[in-house]
Amino acid sequence: AQKVTQAQTEISVVEKEDVTLDCVYETRDTTYYLFWYKQPPSGELVFLIRRNSFDEQNEISGRYSWNFQKSTSSFNFTITASQVVDSAVYFCALSEAESNDYKLSFGAGTTVTVRA
Amino acid sequence: NAGVTQTPKFQVLKTGQSMTLQCAQDMNHEYMSWYRQDPGMGLRLIHYSVGAGITDQGEVPNGYNVSRSTTEDFPLRLLSAAPSQTSVYFCASSFTRDRGFRETQYFGPGTRLLVL
Repeated sequence: AQKVTQAQTEISVVEKEDVTLDCVYETRDTTYYLFWYKQPPSGELVFLIRRNSFDEQNEISGRYSWNFQKSTSSFNFTITASQVVDSAVYFCALSEAESNDYKLSFGAGTTVTVRA
Repeated sequence: NAGVTQTPKFQVLKTGQSMTLQCAQDMNHEYMSWYRQDPGMGLRLIHYSVGAGITDQGEVPNGYNVSRSTTEDFPLRLLSAAPSQTSVYFCASSFTRDRGFRETQYFGPGTRLLVL
């Protein structure tokens, strides 16, 4: 069963628009961690944020913000005032603390294109 | 710190050939893993290691072998390459902590493999 769903395959916006990426997860563990990674056109995976299941505070880092809601099993990511450099594939991932393999279960990714 | 390094960056193989993808990290991380990335499927765990001398299978281990003789290195061996192994391969590493905690996994730049 898919543990992480990123329903938006592609999003295209014009520079300075805000863009929100949806992430819905599924787990039976009470302790788990959620991550967002960015994959720019150059191909590397860049870590953006880690959040554990006991910390539902929203977080803001510059133009990036994250909204974690356990009630809806969602961990959404918003880019404010998007820039061309934000064009990338963004992955949401889940790590269940009870697993022995430390596996990251990734969503399929959302491709964001920011047009000048 | 070089972080996580991978070689080669790109490789073309013929069906049936064998090769080793190299991965090294200089952060003294106990945990290392290999993922493959295929279009529309996110990343999937191939093999992982929680320390030198300890390896185990992930969700897609068939056709791959690993070993972990040192903390720093975690090579991935393709025994007899098949076209289905055409993919981008990522190595990742992290610290491990007590059960119930998950540290951030940092990824290498990836190896793009084409099997003809």
